[in-house]
Amino acid sequence: QQQVKQSPQSLIVQKGGISIINCAYENTAFDYFPWYQQFPGKGPALLIAIRPDVSEKKEGRFTISFNKSAKQFSLHIMDSQPGDSATYFCAASITNAGKSTFGDGTTLTVKP
Amino acid sequence: GAGVSQSPRYKVAKRGQDVALRCDPISGHVSLFWYQQALGQGPEFLTYFQNEAQLDKSGLPSDRFFAERPEGSVSTLKIQRTQQEDSAVYLCASSFYGTGGSINEQFFGPGTRLTVL
Repeated sequence: QQQVKQSPQSLIVQKGGISIINCAYENTAFDYFPWYQQFPGKGPALLIAIRPDVSEKKEGRFTISFNKSAKQFSLHIMDSQPGDSATYFCAASITNAGKSTFGDGTTLTVKP
Repeated sequence: GAGVSQSPRYKVAKRGQDVALRCDPISGHVSLFWYQQALGQGPEFLTYFQNEAQLDKSGLPSDRFFAERPEGSVSTLKIQRTQQEDSAVYLCASSFYGTGGSINEQFFGPGTRLTVL
């Protein structure tokens, strides 16, 4: 049973465009939803995270939108740059439970 | 550097060999996690330590997998009698907080790529 489903699997965006990646979760006990960026040969790096008491969080060009009733959340990358080309993972966890459950990742390519 | 470090970065083992993977967390971090990342997939949880105590090992796929953190800092993930399906990247992450704090903020190492022939 996959608890966090991520889409699309891959995404190609022109420089300056908006990249949107979506995730859906099943476990309503999840209360922390981070997004990670991973470059080849590197470990995932935390980009931005949200808790379900807010519907949106913005940090620079990165925004998380959260819909608790639909059990969905998304990452928006504004003004996408070639340096944003990487694999992005959404994740979900329960505070104090330790482990994170990850989606399968989205490979983003930003064309110059 | 002050990040999480892992060694070796690459490991090739023949089927049936035992391997040991090392993780050096960020100094002072209470929590330590191991994840397994298969090619083209997201990381999957293996086990979690708070200091030296292994609080969750529900993700370990079989009794061939064993992890320890005897002094609450460095951790070792050991895989006995390796099989081809064990081929993956093994990621270690650490967190400053333990239970009751922002345990979710995890910092990942670069991983060890294990290939079992």
